[in-house]
Amino acid sequence: AQKITQTQPGMFVQEKEAVTLDCTYDTSDQSYGLFWYKQPSSGEMIFLIYQGSYDEQNATEGRYSLNFQKARKSANLVISASQLGDSAMYFCAMRESSLDYKLSFGAGTTVTVRA
Amino acid sequence: EPEVTQTPSHQVTQMGQEVILRCVPISNHLYFYWYRQILGQKVEFLVSFYNNEISEKSEIFDDQFSVERPDGSNFTLKIRSTKLEDSAMYFCASSEFKSRIVGLEAFFGQGTRLTVV
Repeated sequence: AQKITQTQPGMFVQEKEAVTLDCTYDTSDQSYGLFWYKQPSSGEMIFLIYQGSYDEQNATEGRYSLNFQKARKSANLVISASQLGDSAMYFCAMRESSLDYKLSFGAGTTVTVRA
Repeated sequence: EPEVTQTPSHQVTQMGQEVILRCVPISNHLYFYWYRQILGQKVEFLVSFYNNEISEKSEIFDDQFSVERPDGSNFTLKIRSTKLEDSAMYFCASSEFKSRIVGLEAFFGQGTRLTVV
């Protein structure tokens, strides 16, 4: 079974608008962490935001916020006020306490910001 | 700002040849990882390394792969006899030690694009 599911292969968003990228996860662990990474066309992986399973508040980092709904096992990324430089592939990932070291990644969502 | 550095950025090799991908993790980090991303596909975990030994490896990480930390700063991935299907972007990552392992952010290098011909 997939640990991380990203159902949107590609999205278009108008500059200055907000966009929500979906991520659902599957784990039986009580302690886990959820991460979002950005991969521009140049290929590097850039950490954006982290949410811990015990964190009561949704994580925010500048224009990035994470809509964490634990009961639904979803961790959607919201990018507010989109900029042209936000055009990239976005990956949701999870680290589980029972698998101490590795990140499990979703298939990714390509975001294209239009002027 | 400290960063993970990978060399080379792009390597082309003949099928059957050995390749060594090099990484310099962030200096105070203790956990090291290799991930692979076949073009257009998701990032896949290969192996993690802590305290000079492999902590975990995936089913992809078979006998043709090996990792080493030869000198305390470099972290290498060796592919002994490359196959066409090894063509991918290989990412090195590192994390610092924290008691809450789950919250460890992995800092990624810029990747090495391996092309096997």
